[in-house]
Amino acid sequence: NAGVTQTPKFRVLKTGQSMTLLCAQDMNHEYMYWYRQDPGMGLRLIHYSVGEGTTAKGEVPDGYNVSRLKKQNFLLGLESAAPSQTSVYFCASSSPRTGDYGYTFGSGTRLTVV
Amino acid sequence: GQQLNQSPQSMFIQEGEDVSMNCTSSSIFNTWLWYKQDPGEGPVLLIALYKAGELTSNGRLTAQFGITRKDSFLNISASIPSDVGIYFCAGQPEKRFGAGTRLTVKP
Repeated sequence: NAGVTQTPKFRVLKTGQSMTLLCAQDMNHEYMYWYRQDPGMGLRLIHYSVGEGTTAKGEVPDGYNVSRLKKQNFLLGLESAAPSQTSVYFCASSSPRTGDYGYTFGSGTRLTVV
Repeated sequence: GQQLNQSPQSMFIQEGEDVSMNCTSSSIFNTWLWYKQDPGEGPVLLIALYKAGELTSNGRLTAQFGITRKDSFLNISASIPSDVGIYFCAGQPEKRFGAGTRLTVKP
């Protein structure tokens, strides 16, 4: 059971470049999330999805877009990367409709924007 | 949005000591969750709390959901070196995390 898989694990971008982070889960979870983690600030929610074809903004959505075309995949896009987007990005999934509110996290993508 | 305050920010303890950390919220939560993050990995769920006053254990870990539904604490008894990491609290349904408590255990 792979759980939540994130690709790539590391990436260096130049300012203004674009990229897509991929998250895949094999647990049939309805909800999926993208968080960013910065030193001393914990995890901040970027966007989330409560089901295939639906997305919603979180606490820090500016500069990011997401898509959930398939239940098992949640993509995070950066259209024009900025140094402020240097961070570690975590994808997570959960199944609150079954009464389980705990998240399963991926191992993260470390992004550096220069 | 709701603020989730976690304390302490960091702890340096001797192996064998007990540890206590807590989270407080400006508003009511329906669920409290505690996670641990090892270096280079994503957080892993330790304990989930769903009812006010609930006290739940997982091995040497014990967590409680505060009666006011605005706070929760996590205790670790008889710490060992592998307890090292960052501990996060999280509240639902707001999907917010605390800033984390970084635990260092000296052998």
